[in-house]
Amino acid sequence: NAGVTQTPKFRVLKTGQSMTLLCAQDMNHEYMYWYRQDPGMGLRLIHYSVGEGTTAKGEVPDGYNVSRLKKQNFLLGLESAAPSQTSVYFCASSKNPDSNQPQHFGDGTRLSIL
Amino acid sequence: GQNIDQPTEMTATEGAIVQINCTYQTSGFNGLFWYQQHAGEAPTFLSYNVLDGLEEKGRFSSFLSRSKGYSYLLLKELQMKDSASYLCAVMDSNYQLIWGAGTKLIIKP
Repeated sequence: NAGVTQTPKFRVLKTGQSMTLLCAQDMNHEYMYWYRQDPGMGLRLIHYSVGEGTTAKGEVPDGYNVSRLKKQNFLLGLESAAPSQTSVYFCASSKNPDSNQPQHFGDGTRLSIL
Repeated sequence: GQNIDQPTEMTATEGAIVQINCTYQTSGFNGLFWYQQHAGEAPTFLSYNVLDGLEEKGRFSSFLSRSKGYSYLLLKELQMKDSASYLCAVMDSNYQLIWGAGTKLIIKP
C-alpha cells in the first residue's frame, strides 16, 4: 500500500546546484501538490497540478519548476538552489478538491542548501 | 489576507481531554480539515467539517462554527501516542488549502 512516495528522503546541496524531487502516487488521483514546511509556519503551496500535462503556481512558486508528464508522477525542480530553499518538501495528492476528499501526503524530502 | 490561527503549543496529561482551537479568516470557505503530524513524519488526515456542528470519530471530535470562523479539535482519553502536531487547514474559494502553523501537543504521564 504505497500511497504517495517521495525520493530522495534527504539531500544536501551547495548554492547554485540543481536537483529534481520526485513524487509518485498509486491512487489514480487527478490532483497533485508540492508544499514546503518551515518552522513556525504553515504548509505553503509551491505548485500544483489538476491533471496530467497541467501545472499551476501556488503561493510561493519562485525558484521552482514542476512537470506532470504522467498522471502518477509530479516532479519538482530547483534550477539554482539558494539557502532560502532549505526546507522540508511534501508532495500530496487528492481525488479532487471540491469535495471532502483529503490530501494524502508523502513522507517528505529534507533538503539543506549550503 | 488569509489567516489561520492556532496555539503554538499545548500540554496535557495522559488520560485527560484537550481542546485545540483554530480561528480563520479566508477568502471563501469550502471546508475545514484537521491533520495530525508526528515529528519527522507526513501529515495524516483526521477530520473534515463543512457544516456547523460536531463531527465525532472515536476519541477525536471536531467542531465548526462558520459564522464565528472557528473550529476546535477535541481529543479524549489522551494517550502518549497522541503527542504530535495538529494542523488546521481551510479550503478557500479556489479550493486550495490554507494551513495554520500547527499546534504541538505534549502529553505527560
